[in-house]
Amino acid sequence: GGIITQTPKFLIGQEGQKLTLKCQQNFNHDTMYWYRQDSGKGLRLIYYSITENDLQKGDLSEGYDASREKKSSFSLTVTSAQKNEMAVFLCASSIWDRYSGNTLYFGEGSRLIVV
Amino acid sequence: AQSVTQPDARVTVSEGASLQLRCKYSYSGTPYLFWYVQYPRQGLQLLLKYYSGDPVVQGVNGFEAEFIKSNSSFHLRKASVHWSDSAVYFCAVSDTEGADRLTFGKGTQLIIQP
Repeated sequence: GGIITQTPKFLIGQEGQKLTLKCQQNFNHDTMYWYRQDSGKGLRLIYYSITENDLQKGDLSEGYDASREKKSSFSLTVTSAQKNEMAVFLCASSIWDRYSGNTLYFGEGSRLIVV
Repeated sequence: AQSVTQPDARVTVSEGASLQLRCKYSYSGTPYLFWYVQYPRQGLQLLLKYYSGDPVVQGVNGFEAEFIKSNSSFHLRKASVHWSDSAVYFCAVSDTEGADRLTFGKGTQLIIQP
């Protein structure tokens, strides 16, 4: 089996600071995702990437940048951290087949704290 | 665009009792449907998934879900819950055109009472 590793587990920064979250997967999956999880709001898609150097905006991409320089890694940057952005950020990768669609595998999450 | 509604933000069940967590989706065709579970301080894990065939699909740890097309529903069930089932459960849908995006519901927190 494979694993998704997110670093750091906790990211503490100041308002206005640029902050970056990293994600590595060893499944050899093509597609990777960044979701934001807020209590009571479920998961909202920020960015995804279907292959190396590809980027696709999700529903919540404003205020974020992403980078997929290698197939195995996908990073997310908060361009100017705000206190209302404190949330858990989940990275995932996926494999698709026509019989069961896209099955996502998630990391354990990174919690963003803005002071 | 597809959407998912989980009408219950929180469900409380006694240990040993049966469980149903509700999920309704909006999609014009036959979608791919998923249930994921999130234990405290962990990421989401796949419980089960459905696309075609028998509308009742079995998952891990005794969970099952039934696809009812006429009702646009994909409710999750378990015959007898255990305290370790306490978690947040997410229903998700994706379309059938090889799309890469899953749409998640807001989740239902399951609380098991002793």
